[in-house]
Amino acid sequence: DTEVTQTPKHLVMGMTNKKSLKCEQHMGHRAMYWYKQKAKKPPELMFVYSYEKLSINESVPSRFSPECPNSSLLNLHLHALQPEDSALYLCASSRRGEQETQYFGPGTRLLVL
Amino acid sequence: GQNIDQPTEMTATEGAIVQINCTYQTSGFNGLFWYQQHAGEAPTFLSYNVLDGLEEKGRFSSFLSRSKGYSYLLLKELQMKDSASYLCAKKNQAGTALIFGKGTTLSVSS
Repeated sequence: DTEVTQTPKHLVMGMTNKKSLKCEQHMGHRAMYWYKQKAKKPPELMFVYSYEKLSINESVPSRFSPECPNSSLLNLHLHALQPEDSALYLCASSRRGEQETQYFGPGTRLLVL
Repeated sequence: GQNIDQPTEMTATEGAIVQINCTYQTSGFNGLFWYQQHAGEAPTFLSYNVLDGLEEKGRFSSFLSRSKGYSYLLLKELQMKDSASYLCAKKNQAGTALIFGKGTTLSVSS
């Protein structure tokens, strides 16, 4: 089983809203990632959690706040976003750590109005 | 740096063979990945090369030359469903995350 699930599939929010994206995997993977992908561009890394600890923050604005409640779950809390934050947000996980193959979820397509 | 270069677009016909090339800066190399991404969907893992040579998986093969900073993805017996973006990716210098190339959009026609 190489399934990473993400909810919601689509999200529309205003610039004053607070929302959260959720990611879940039950493969026992210990590293989880958030990527942002704009149309016709490659995914860009935002955050890495390794063994439930934040190990990388790629200078992401504070309006994006990640959270890893346990080894199976990864959240991305959104607050006061800008229209340019509209994108596909992809979650990925890998087995023992960042060295291993990453498996992606289907993504959440976010539109900020 | 982490520059990864691959062609932007390629076209091919059903049943043909296509080779998608990828070059990268060799410093801090930790392995090279190929992912397939259909429009509006998540990237799907295709292959991982860390040693030189050819890895074959059914219709898809991936080749790596570490000394040349070069990889290719070979797709045989092309099918219409192979129309997608193919992303070459390597680990960042710390080995902690993937850095993607801009992707090659492959269009397969009948």
